[in-house]
Amino acid sequence: GQNIDQPTEMTATEGAIVQINCTYQTSGFNGLFWYQQHAGEAPTFLSYNVLDGLEEKGRFSSFLSRSKGYSYLLLKELQMKDSASYLCAVRDKGNTPLVFGKGTRLSVIA
Amino acid sequence: SAVISQKPSRDICQRGTSLTIQCQVDSQVTMMFWYRQQPGQSLTLIATANQGSEATYESGFVIDKFPISRPNLTFSTLTVSNMSPEDSSIYLCSASGTVTGYTFGSGTRLTVV
Repeated sequence: GQNIDQPTEMTATEGAIVQINCTYQTSGFNGLFWYQQHAGEAPTFLSYNVLDGLEEKGRFSSFLSRSKGYSYLLLKELQMKDSASYLCAVRDKGNTPLVFGKGTRLSVIA
Repeated sequence: SAVISQKPSRDICQRGTSLTIQCQVDSQVTMMFWYRQQPGQSLTLIATANQGSEATYESGFVIDKFPISRPNLTFSTLTVSNMSPEDSSIYLCSASGTVTGYTFGSGTRLTVV
């Protein structure tokens, strides 16, 4: 089976750094994706990791360790507009559909 | 990455009726998928829409309830049949055209009364 775990909710302060963790157990692995979803909107793509290590894209970075079945999304210099749900998703092979975790609802407070 | 136009954006339907949701992609894509997202929850895969053949359904979802069409590489429809209030949800289509690019439509918010 497939299992993807991430915290349900997190709260962080404007200007701070927050790390959202994701652990996964899947039958295969061909990439881990992070999406941002604001309330009432569709998910938007943030990052993709297929090899171990850190991928940096502006204020957002994503890390992957395939041997540990672990990823995190790092958000720096938090802004109020970063308040959203962050979804971790895994693709087990080829061009197959993504399997999503339950999402982490991040609240950024002043 | 591909851009998907999904419609309708929302609808309120009577129980027992059916609603067809359409997704049009602005370029040819290899794979299209349909997800359901219930309030406050994450995305659950309904099925993979296969071009020219029957869709591949996930456990718990059946063709009679959620018939899917994919007549070409840019278009797909999902029908929610014989609706009940439990079908109230957001329905999202997704397309995969590149190694990294899984794009989503804007979603259809369905309320069944």
